[in-house]
Parts: sequence; structure tokens; C-alpha cells
Amino acid sequence: GENVGLHLPTLSVQEGDNSIINCAYSNSASDYFIWYKQESGKGPQFIIDIRSNMDKRQGQRVTVLLNKTVKHLSLQIAATQPGDSAVYFCAENRSGATNKLIFGTGTLLAVQP
Amino acid sequence: DGGITQSPKYLFRKEGQNVTLSCEQNLNHDAMYWYRQDPGQGLRLIYYSQIVNDFQKGDIAEGYSVSREKKESFPLTVTSAQKNPTAFYLCASSISGRYEQFFGPGTRLTVL
Repeated sequence: GENVGLHLPTLSVQEGDNSIINCAYSNSASDYFIWYKQESGKGPQFIIDIRSNMDKRQGQRVTVLLNKTVKHLSLQIAATQPGDSAVYFCAENRSGATNKLIFGTGTLLAVQP
Repeated sequence: DGGITQSPKYLFRKEGQNVTLSCEQNLNHDAMYWYRQDPGQGLRLIYYSQIVNDFQKGDIAEGYSVSREKKESFPLTVTSAQKNPTAFYLCASSISGRYEQFFGPGTRLTVL
């Protein structure tokens, strides 16, 4: 919501730079991961997802990297734009429950013009 | 134009009153969810439903109730038993068997 960015880790980047947002996940049995973008006062929007049988997946201006050894996920945004300013969440599937996701707390990306 | 709608965007209620939040989807999704979002925290699952006339408690169901009488609709009632109801509430839906969830715009509930 409007205050979702309070108390969150913040990444501040210059317009045009690349951004890297990191996420550590908890369950080594998780086999699906997803990144969402949430703008102030709005619901989360899907960005990109990746399954555990992959290390990397690319979308338009975004790349997700998965390191299962250290249970780490990252989202790379190329040529960051002011419109990319938002809170970014990672989520992992809940083991044994097909439709259930566990969400991280999020990172606030602030793009400086 | 397919999607998920939540209404109203802002809702104010007095302490001790029950209030119902609306969630409607025209995506033909079987599964629907309710989450609560507080500042600095991840989304927490309140209730979810995988099929009409069936629903399960999530991690923080106390003080909330839901119904799923129609595939398109999954209303959430915040009862007076919920100790700290002021929050941003998000509804989501998904295709049965798929992880990706689609979210509505949210309802900001403030209890005075």
C-alpha cells in the first residue's frame, strides 16, 4: 500500500544504470520463484519467474538469476528508468502446496533522475 | 478487459464493527487468495480457496472470515475479533495448479 516502503531495504540508483535486487529464500525444496513489482498504492504486478531447473531467465530489460547452492535469487534491471521505482518482492512456492507462495519483505528501488 | 477488482480502495470503520471487502475476478481462475500487507513486512496469507464452496485458513486467519459461493467472487469479512485490522488488503487469483498469482489493486482499511 501507500506505506509499504517504510523500513524496507532501499536501493538507490541513477537513471540509466543497471540495478540488482537480491533475495534470500528459506526452503531448499522450493522449485519455483517469482518476482513482483509493487508501485505505491497498487497491487503487485508479475515481472518474471524461474523454476529450479534453471539458473537464469531473461525478460525484457530484466534477468533473474538463481543460485540454489546458497539459496539466493537476484533480479537485474537493465538501464533503470524512473518508472522502475517501486518495491520489489521475491516469492517462493510453498513446499507441498501447489498454489501457495511465501513472500519476502521486499526492497525499495529508488531511481534518481 | 480481464482482471481482478477490489472495492472500495479506501475503507474506514469504527472499532468493533465488522466490515466486508469485495474481490471479483473475470479471469476464470479457480483459486483465489486474501493477503494482508503491513509496512515493512511481506504479504501474509489470510485465507485461500482452490474451488467454489471450499476454502482453507492461511497463516493469520484469526478474526477473519470468507465465503466462496461463486467462482468470480471471494469476499473477506474483517470481524471485531481481529485485534489489529488496520492494514492494506490484497486479493489475488491463479489458475489451479499454477504458482503465478494475479493481484487486485488492494483495499486500505483503517479502523478508527
